[in-house]
Amino acid sequence: DIQMTQSPSSVSASVGDRVTLTCRASQGISSSLAWYQQRPGKAPNLLIYGPSLQSGVPSRFSGSGFGTDFTLTISSLQPEDFATYYCQQTNSFPYTFGQGTKLEI
Amino acid sequence: EVQLVESGGGSVRPGGSLRLSCTASGFSISNHYMAWVRQAPGKGLEFVANITPDGSGKSYVDSVKGRFTFSRDNAKNSLFLQMDSLRDHDTAVYYCARDGPRSGPDLDYWGQGTLVTVSS
Repeated sequence: DIQMTQSPSSVSASVGDRVTLTCRASQGISSSLAWYQQRPGKAPNLLIYGPSLQSGVPSRFSGSGFGTDFTLTISSLQPEDFATYYCQQTNSFPYTFGQGTKLEI
Repeated sequence: EVQLVESGGGSVRPGGSLRLSCTASGFSISNHYMAWVRQAPGKGLEFVANITPDGSGKSYVDSVKGRFTFSRDNAKNSLFLQMDSLRDHDTAVYYCARDGPRSGPDLDYWGQGTLVTVSS
């Protein structure tokens, strides 16, 4: 199985900050990666799939990377962005997730 | 409006069984792969299983193979996860999710989840 590792496990930031979260795959997965946001007590929400921003997701979110190293960048943090973020490889079954990065105020 | 509603969770002893249901509205499941994803309390996400649009193909993560069975009734726009021989580590919130139109699992809609607790 492909292992996904996210760093850091948690990060503190302020409203207006630019934040970059990292995800690394244990083997090359081309651009087959998705990012999800999960707020406490809620289901995950798809943000980015491959190179594309999901419909309805604010443009302050962006993703990049190819092969084994990927990043999710939030250009200017808003209060509603404080949540946990998961990457998921969509290259091969089982479609493993990273352990998550908790973004805290 | 697309909605997915899970039901059937609850508490069960190790070795017991539960059957989860997921009812979809606002779209036809017959056009989509569908998936179950679980999340143990305070932990991350685990992709459990998916199923092809016609139900002929199913894939399971190794930890549930031979114990869980994913099925669907397209006429009723519903999905089911039969969970047998449950173990402590199956304790989790189970989410039903729609696989969107793109190649690969873009899980674009999720239910609210149903909690399964396996404990003696």
